[in-house]
Amino acid sequence: DQQVKQNSPSLSVQEGRISILNCDYTNSMFDYFLWYKKYPAEGPTFLISISSIKDKNEDGRFTVFLNKSAKHLSLHIVPSQPGDSAVYFCAARVVFNDMRFGAGTRLTVKP
Amino acid sequence: NAGVTQTPKFRVLKTGQSMTLLCAQDMNHEYMYWYRQDPGMGLRLIHYSVGEGTTAKGEVPDGYNVSRLKKQNFLLGLESAAPSQTSVYFCASSMALDSGPYNEQFFGPGTRLTVL
Repeated sequence: DQQVKQNSPSLSVQEGRISILNCDYTNSMFDYFLWYKKYPAEGPTFLISISSIKDKNEDGRFTVFLNKSAKHLSLHIVPSQPGDSAVYFCAARVVFNDMRFGAGTRLTVKP
Repeated sequence: NAGVTQTPKFRVLKTGQSMTLLCAQDMNHEYMYWYRQDPGMGLRLIHYSVGEGTTAKGEVPDGYNVSRLKKQNFLLGLESAAPSQTSVYFCASSMALDSGPYNEQFFGPGTRLTVL
């Protein structure tokens, strides 16, 4: 039972344009949502998070939006850069030891 | 700082063999975790530890055992490997929950395990 879903396995965008990665969840008890970024042969690294009591969090080129009524969050990257090419995982937390991850979306940013 | 390291990086086992994956962290983190990642699925928590000498089951613990004899090390053991345990294994660590709201996890580079 996948409680966190990333329905797009891949996304390709042009350098300088916006990348939008989406994530849907089913468990209304999640209190934090996080995005992790993963390069090949490396472990995931934390990118940005949002509390369930917020609807937006911004950090430089990265913005995460949360729509609790739709149980949907998205990660916006503006402008996209070739170095952003990676796999992005959406994760949601009930308690510290119960983090559920989506299957990931592979982003390719073309120069 | 090396962060989180994992040994080995790759391993091929035959069904029924045993092995131990080693995770080490030099960030003095209280919490440590073992995940597995399979194609088309997100990372799933196998076991975790909230401190030296403590371990607990995660989402998919069957077939695995863990030990945390030292704060900086977290071992994952497979007593009798099965093909279903073919996966990429990630170790992670984080500060204690009261150190921040969402205890960011720091991941190792992964161990790719194939069980034939």
